[in-house]
Amino acid sequence: EIVLTQSPGTLSLSPGERATLSCRASHSILSNSLAWYQQKPGQGPRLLIYGASSRASGIPDRFSGSGSGTDFTLTISRLEPEDFAVYYCQQYGGSSSIFTFGPGTKVDIK
Amino acid sequence: QVQLQESGPGLVKPSQTLSLNCNVSGGSISSGSYYWSWLRQPAGKGLEWIGRVYFSGTTNYNPSLKSRVTMSVGSSKNQFSLKVTSVTAADTAVYYCARGYRYQLLDWGQGTLVTVSS
Repeated sequence: EIVLTQSPGTLSLSPGERATLSCRASHSILSNSLAWYQQKPGQGPRLLIYGASSRASGIPDRFSGSGSGTDFTLTISRLEPEDFAVYYCQQYGGSSSIFTFGPGTKVDIK
Repeated sequence: QVQLQESGPGLVKPSQTLSLNCNVSGGSISSGSYYWSWLRQPAGKGLEWIGRVYFSGTTNYNPSLKSRVTMSVGSSKNQFSLKVTSVTAADTAVYYCARGYRYQLLDWGQGTLVTVSS
């Protein structure tokens, strides 16, 4: 099965700064199967990006996704107070055709 | 906007069956393009996909849980359900239901904590 690795584990930044989050797959994956989610404490995850680079409905344009093959990036251009959360990448596929998630990157306030 | 809400017992005894329902509002579960998933998240850990069910009844399960999991769509209500048999402490987690389309999960419930303990 494909394993997703996210880095860094924690990113400490100030509001207004740029955040760059990495997601690496153990094998090459199709770009259209890569998604990013945001999760805040006590809430279910929220879809941000699908197909590696398409923003989900209602997602502000400060969120952008890029990448292909095994390396993918989520960028938050200017952090707003509500953006401090945990971010997960997810892919669909592999030999068992299942959804797998990365371990997450926590973006916290510096 | 589609909303999902999980419901079910918060405490299940070891070796028993965990049963949860997900009520869907703001959209019909019979919309053919979507599928309905269950996921879980142990405290302080990452997300694990359990499986999905289509309105037709077709299911796909994570091989790691397949032998213990059953998902179904409600016959008369706008809901779908999850059953996990022979639970142990390792099944203690927040369980989420979600609506999916193609390769992503569009909408999620807020989650419900299920604790396995005697």
